[in-house]
Amino acid sequence: KNEVEQSPQNLTAQEGEFITINCSYSVGISALHWLQQHPGGGIVSLFMLSSGKKKHGRLIATINIQEKHSSLHITASHPRDSAVYICAVNQGAQKLVFGQGTRLTINP
Amino acid sequence: NAGVMQNPRHLVRRRGQEARLRCSPMKGHSHVYWYRQLPEEGLKFMVYLQKENIIDESGMPKERFSAEFPKEGPSILRIQQVVRGDSAAYFCASSEQAFLNTEAFFGQGTRLTVV
Repeated sequence: KNEVEQSPQNLTAQEGEFITINCSYSVGISALHWLQQHPGGGIVSLFMLSSGKKKHGRLIATINIQEKHSSLHITASHPRDSAVYICAVNQGAQKLVFGQGTRLTINP
Repeated sequence: NAGVMQNPRHLVRRRGQEARLRCSPMKGHSHVYWYRQLPEEGLKFMVYLQKENIIDESGMPKERFSAEFPKEGPSILRIQQVVRGDSAAYFCASSEQAFLNTEAFFGQGTRLTVV
């Protein structure tokens, strides 16, 4: 079992729909990151969380430390949101441990 | 993130050749991390370096792979005698402090293809 599990692995939705991507982890962490990767592109950091909730534009990230669970929400989704979304956790200072990613496709 | 510069973006090598991947961290960042993304797999940690020091290389294959971060110049990930299984995207990330409640800044990656 991976230390960081994301669900779903693939998600297809229509433009305008509310999107939720989930991340569960089994190790102690100091922080959790949500990252975005476009096909053939680099990796962009969306959020870093250690507690509570953060919002940036149409993106919202929440974390429940007790339940070892985080969610990434996208409101009013748009085709340009199509990408792979990756959850990663700080396992000590040295390294990030990554989930497998969720491939999101938003159809017009 | 445009601040972390990796080059080349794409690299093609024949089996047995050497591959050199470069990473210039963001200005003011002295911590560099290398990650590998194999096709259809998630990112995996390879090595963590600070200037002139390898801090953690627990994710590096035991043979053919090496990394350095000299006092001057970029960090280099070197793969000797490449094989087809080395084909992957290699990402570099940098941070101002060690990854402890600090944001991660990633480069665009180098996509290595071994033919």
